[in-house]
Parts: sequence; structure tokens; C-alpha cells
Amino acid sequence: RKEVEQDPGPFNVPEGATVAFNCTYSNSASQSFFWYRQDCRKEPKLLMSVYSSGNEDGRFTAQLNRASQYISLLIRDSKLSDSATYLCVVTSNAGGTSYGKLTFGQGTILTVHP
Amino acid sequence: NAGVTQTPKFRILKIGQSMTLQCTQDMNHNYMYWYRQDPGMGLKLIYYSVGAGITDKGEVPNGYNVSRSTTEDFPLRLELAAPSQTSVYFCASTSADRGIQYFGAGTRLSVL
Repeated sequence: RKEVEQDPGPFNVPEGATVAFNCTYSNSASQSFFWYRQDCRKEPKLLMSVYSSGNEDGRFTAQLNRASQYISLLIRDSKLSDSATYLCVVTSNAGGTSYGKLTFGQGTILTVHP
Repeated sequence: NAGVTQTPKFRILKIGQSMTLQCTQDMNHNYMYWYRQDPGMGLKLIYYSVGAGITDKGEVPNGYNVSRSTTEDFPLRLELAAPSQTSVYFCASTSADRGIQYFGAGTRLSVL
């Protein structure tokens, strides 16, 4: 089983739609959770951190369910500019050390069309 | 603000050639990382460093070497390029363990 799994999509939605992505992780000791956004042929950039109580940033809402080991991202009122790949990222201890390592999901492709 | 700078942006290598991918950051971050991203895949950690003089292997270190002589620079060395190393390479840095990572623009490498 992969450490971090995402539905690769692609998700094709019209402008104004609401879309949700899920991500599951296998390491129950995972400590921090993030969603990164990656535009085509560009570097990943942080979209938002995911907190235990859930958090919202404008049109974006992130949720964490530690018991079921999944995180989610909800995008409301989709814009054309939201078209990108969304990467689920989980941190845990690097093997044999106390340092954190990030594990990336393979990404979910979102295309928002007019 | 320069942030994380990678050079070169693109490179084509022949099998067996060597090269160094350069990465420098001007944010005084202690933690630096090298990842590779194959098409349609997530990023895989090659090597990381928690400070000058300290490096350690990540998930896919074979065929690569790194050094960290200064806080700013974290070069990645490919000694004998192989087609399997065709990928996009990203360097990243962060100020704190498990913190938000800032990425360079990437180096697109083809080994033919």
C-alpha cells in the first residue's frame, strides 16, 4: 500500500462548481498534513496546511480525520485559475531519525472549464 | 526575493556522463531537500540535509551524491547518468523541521 494515496482524476468541472478531493495515508504516526498546488511544468507551492479541527481559507476548506487516516480538500465556486494538480503531503519521521520527511501523493488533476 | 534558485533549467545528458545540479537559497534555511518527479507521479525524496556538513539519504538515493558545505548551497551530483534518471528535479528548503517547504523552479533532465 502506498504511504499516501490520491485519486489521480482528472476532475473536469465547470466554473462555479464545488469539487472535493480525498487523500488517504498509511502511517498512523504521521504528524503534519498539507495540500500543495502544482501548475503545469512548475514547482509545487503550498496551498494550505491541514489542522485537526479543519480549516478554511477563502474558497478552500481542508479537513483531517485521524481515525480514518484521510484528509480532504473542498474547493467552492471553482475558478478557471484553480486548474492545477493538487498534491496531498504528509509528514512523518524519516526512518531511523527524528527528522521529519514529507511524503507526496501522486496528485489529483483538476481542470475547470468555462 | 530570490528564494530557492536551481540551475540549469534544462539539460540533456548522454548515458554515462556526469553533471551537478545546483541549488542555492537565500532564506538562511537549515533544512534542504532534493526530490525527483517522474511524469504523473508524486515527488520522491533523493537526499536531504539538516544543516551545513550534514546530509542523509532519502527514499531514492542510488546514483546520486550530495554535499552541504554552506547553509546556502546544496548541489546534487549524478556520476554516471542512466536513462532511469530522466526526470524533473526539485530542490526545496525550510526553516524548521516538518515546516512548509519552498521549492525551486526545477531542472528538467533527459538522459539519452
